[in-house]
Amino acid sequence: DAKTTQPTSMDCAEGRAANLPCNHSTISGNEYVYWYRQIHSQGPQYIIHGLKNNETNEMASLIITEDRKSSTLILPHATLRDTAVYYCIVRANTGGFKTIFGAGTRLFVKA
Amino acid sequence: DTEVTQTPKHLVMGMTNKKSLKCEQHMGHRAMYWYKQKAKKPPELMFVYSYEKLSINESVPSRFSPECPNSSLLNLHLHALQPEDSALYLCASSQRDSGSDTQYFGPGTRLTVL
Repeated sequence: DAKTTQPTSMDCAEGRAANLPCNHSTISGNEYVYWYRQIHSQGPQYIIHGLKNNETNEMASLIITEDRKSSTLILPHATLRDTAVYYCIVRANTGGFKTIFGAGTRLFVKA
Repeated sequence: DTEVTQTPKHLVMGMTNKKSLKCEQHMGHRAMYWYKQKAKKPPELMFVYSYEKLSINESVPSRFSPECPNSSLLNLHLHALQPEDSALYLCASSQRDSGSDTQYFGPGTRLTVL
């Protein structure tokens, strides 16, 4: 079973920030939080990941709560091309490298 | 460069055919993965190769046979498939040895079994 829960869908106005939440209350100390997105029928695209600290790159910011039980992906200025399914995954970097995708959040960016 | 390539993009095959899907990466990654994705569902892990050895097989039927000829290539051999095997097949790779092990995905092969 997936170790993350996300809203099924969200809407965002173009140009506004999109804030996508993810709960991962059973996360282990050695598990990272990864975010990917998938635009229709394409391969998942890596966005960002983090362990404890907040992270930012050219695509997005990742805010992880202090207890690490939840996180939020922030797209600062959403565009129509950001419409996609966003997956939050927790994954250890040791052992078998198993990856389990949850159902994800379908983000609709509207003009 | 974070590119993973997959061929073919689309494949249509009958239930008695034998075909292969190919995946290639030139990032020096030592782990490679096969996922299966049905319509409107998340990807499901099928196989993981680590240093060219099969490390995870998620109870996949034997009609799917993975092969890792070298560290850059990953094949998925298909034989006697069923119509319910029609799906998007995704390949991914990751470095394996870094502190975080980001997977990079290819564009997928859309498989239709008639």
